[in-house]
Amino acid sequence: GAVVSQHPSWVICKSGTSVKIECRSLDFQATTMFWYRQFPKQSLMLMATSNEGSKATYEQGVEKDKFLINHASLTLSTLTVTSAHPEDSSFYICSAGETEVTYEQYFGPGTRLTVT
Amino acid sequence: AQKITQTQPGMFVQEKEAVTLDCTYDTSDQSYGLFWYKQPSSGEMIFLIYQGSYDEQNATEGRYSLNFQKARKSANLVISASQLGDSAMYFCAMREWSGGSNYKLTFGKGTLLTVNP
Repeated sequence: GAVVSQHPSWVICKSGTSVKIECRSLDFQATTMFWYRQFPKQSLMLMATSNEGSKATYEQGVEKDKFLINHASLTLSTLTVTSAHPEDSSFYICSAGETEVTYEQYFGPGTRLTVT
Repeated sequence: AQKITQTQPGMFVQEKEAVTLDCTYDTSDQSYGLFWYKQPSSGEMIFLIYQGSYDEQNATEGRYSLNFQKARKSANLVISASQLGDSAMYFCAMREWSGGSNYKLTFGKGTLLTVNP
């Protein structure tokens, strides 16, 4: 099956700094990538949908200026958490979508962000 | 209103027995897709099975089968012959169109399955 990677797998940063998370589709071209956030013992919440070459579409309640998404190529999307605070500590998961019949999304392994 | 409802926060099953994880959904779309994912403690999301709204037969993938009852808007996951490695969180999700050519997945709250030896 298709492989999606994320880097880093975990990161610790100080409050007020910015953190960039990369999501790559390794063996297919992904016109659409999705970013999710998952707090402990909770479900995945969609943050935004990004299409290559265009601005991301953010879900209601997600701050566009805080969570910057760039989908510069068909294999790479990045999520930058700007001015991170402890409440941003979470598990961030990306997925890449294909346009086959099932429209399946292939998930990355996730990035655990801890803001101190 | 929740679009995906998983009413079982936790389930226990004995090894080698079958277990059913419940999922109901709410949509007014005619075309949609239903997915089940497994999330072990490592956090990765593992795709298990897919059912399209127009599929007449229930989907099956090895030990996994999806009991699709369209009129009831339910899509229960059945795991046969449970194994210790099946212990994980299980999420039901629905794919809907969100405008134009865009689509998105909405997840339920999940069911934590524990397989006892």
